[in-house]
Amino acid sequence: EIVLTQSPATLSLSPGERATLSCRASQTVRSYLAWYQQRPGQAPRLLMYDTSQRATGVPARFSASGSGTDFTLTISSLEPEDSAIYYCQQRISWPTTFGQGTRLEIK
Amino acid sequence: EVQLVESGGGLVSPGRSLRLSCTASGFNFDDYAINWVRQVPGKGLEWVSGFSWNGGSIGYADSVKGRFIISRDNAKNSLYLQMNSLTSDDTGLYYCTRGSGVRSLQFNDQTLFDYWGRGTQVTVSS
Repeated sequence: EIVLTQSPATLSLSPGERATLSCRASQTVRSYLAWYQQRPGQAPRLLMYDTSQRATGVPARFSASGSGTDFTLTISSLEPEDSAIYYCQQRISWPTTFGQGTRLEIK
Repeated sequence: EVQLVESGGGLVSPGRSLRLSCTASGFNFDDYAINWVRQVPGKGLEWVSGFSWNGGSIGYADSVKGRFIISRDNAKNSLYLQMNSLTSDDTGLYYCTRGSGVRSLQFNDQTLFDYWGRGTQVTVSS
């Protein structure tokens, strides 16, 4: 199965700063890479799909890029509500798998 | 409003069984794949099993194959997960999720999870 490795494990930034989260796949996933946001006490929420497409209702400060094995989620100007764990997911190969998550803390 | 509501979780002894249910509303249940994804503390998210819109199983994670059985009842807008021979490794929060593709049999559409329930906790312990 495809292993997704996310970095860093934890990120601590201030409101207004830019966050960059990485996801690396053990083999190519082409563009079938999605990102989910999980706020404390809540279920995960689809954030981005097919590498760079924002899901419904996702603010424009969220963007994503990449291809093949290396992907990035960027939050351009952090808001307090962005404090969450972010997971990447691949859907090119069975079984679908998730990264271990990056915890984003807003100071 | 799309809603997925899980039920049936609880505390169970190793080796016993449990049946989870997921009831959907707010969309045409018949048109979508529905999946179970679990979250284990310290291990993140793991896809467990899924059921396509047209009545076939998407499959099972290797960790549950042969022990778990997924089924759905479109008349009741419901998905089920029969979990047998439970072990402590099955402890976690079990989410019901919808695959985003309408009437799609493509794996990548069936496993893009656009809606999630709040989850039901399963604890396997003696």
